[in-house]
Amino acid sequence: NAGVTQTPKFQVLKTGQSMTLQCAQDMNHNSMYWYRQDPGMGLRLIYYSASEGTTDKGEVPNGYNVSRLNKREFSLRLESAAPSQTSVYFCASNGKTSGTGETQYFGPGTRLLVL
Amino acid sequence: SQKIEQNSEALNIQEGKTATLTCNYTNYSPAYLQWYRQDPGRGPVFLLLIRENEKEKRKERLKVTFDTTLKQSLFHITASQPADSATYLCALSSGGSNYKLTFGKGTLLTVNP
Repeated sequence: NAGVTQTPKFQVLKTGQSMTLQCAQDMNHNSMYWYRQDPGMGLRLIYYSASEGTTDKGEVPNGYNVSRLNKREFSLRLESAAPSQTSVYFCASNGKTSGTGETQYFGPGTRLLVL
Repeated sequence: SQKIEQNSEALNIQEGKTATLTCNYTNYSPAYLQWYRQDPGRGPVFLLLIRENEKEKRKERLKVTFDTTLKQSLFHITASQPADSATYLCALSSGGSNYKLTFGKGTLLTVNP
């Protein structure tokens, strides 16, 4: 199992450009999430998808859109990038860990720099 | 509004000692609390989960306590090693089928040899 994969690993954009961050999981999880992580701010939820076909806003959704393409894939789109969106973006999926309960599995992250 | 605080941004301890990290929360009724480890340049990795009706959980050298009266969780690493150096994140969930988590800002633990 590859777990949660994200592409690209690193991206530089100019203000106003658009891009889509891709995320896929091969663990057959229903729920998927997009977070951003900034120094001093911790992980903040942007959008999530509790199941295929549904998406909901998290704590910081402004400037982003998402698509739950199928059960495996959940993409994050920046329509018009701004310097304030410079951050590290993590995708996660939620599944049951044996003997423990529901936990989140994270991808390796996408480092985005908006100039 | 809901607030999660991890007591310090950074903690330095000597190898072999017990590291204790604190997570406090307000305006929250969590169904469960989780601890994650994050290494530089990588995504968080799940360590332990404790439910609201549990007082303590252990896994190898790790121990978590959960006091819903004090609204606090303590995370202990016994016999700490330099390899335990990382950022540790506390996360809470109020339950529900979306399994959303709210994360604290993390504590950077450095274990000195």
